[in-house]
Amino acid sequence: QKEVEQNSGPLSVPEGAIASLNCTYSDRGSQSFFWYRQYSGKSPELIMSIYSNGDKEDGRFTAQLNKASQYVSLLIRDSQPSDSATYLCAVISSGSARQLTFGSGTQLTVLP
Amino acid sequence: DADVTQTPRNRITKTGKRIMLECSQTKGHDRMYWYRQDPGLGLRLIYYSFDVKDINKGEISDGYSVSRQAQAKFSLSLESAIPNQTALYFCATSDETSGQFFGPGTRLTVL
Repeated sequence: QKEVEQNSGPLSVPEGAIASLNCTYSDRGSQSFFWYRQYSGKSPELIMSIYSNGDKEDGRFTAQLNKASQYVSLLIRDSQPSDSATYLCAVISSGSARQLTFGSGTQLTVLP
Repeated sequence: DADVTQTPRNRITKTGKRIMLECSQTKGHDRMYWYRQDPGLGLRLIYYSFDVKDINKGEISDGYSVSRQAQAKFSLSLESAIPNQTALYFCATSDETSGQFFGPGTRLTVL
């Protein structure tokens, strides 16, 4: 079982809709969770971090964390074509090394 | 100026050649990482370093070596490049609790 799992997509939403990206993780002791956006051929860009249960909002982005269900999500409101990218979920493990483990990413396309 | 820089940005080389990719950061982070990314395989960790005297193998270290010359510098070497090392290579930095910040990447092609 992969440590961090994401639906690879592709996920397509119309412009102006809400895009919902989901991620599950296997290490129950994980404490830190991140979402990255990666445009094709570019480096991953950190867009959200969340550390406690509940919602965290930043502009059009909302990260949601449910540690009991080992589930983290990213909502993008009022999706724009410029949001079309691959979104990577990443989790810091609870071990001594505190490694950051990445999911394989979900490809999002926002249709004009 | 960019917080994390990588040189070169693109490199084409031949099988058997030695290649060094360099990474520098101005974020003041202790931790530095090297990843490769291949289509459909996501990011895979090659090596990581938590401080100047600490070097650790990642998921796919075979065929690679690293050197942490200073807190701000971390280089990746391919001693004898082979075609299946053709990939996009990223350097990243972090502190103990933050997410990682990535450099712009090096596109390496081994013929």
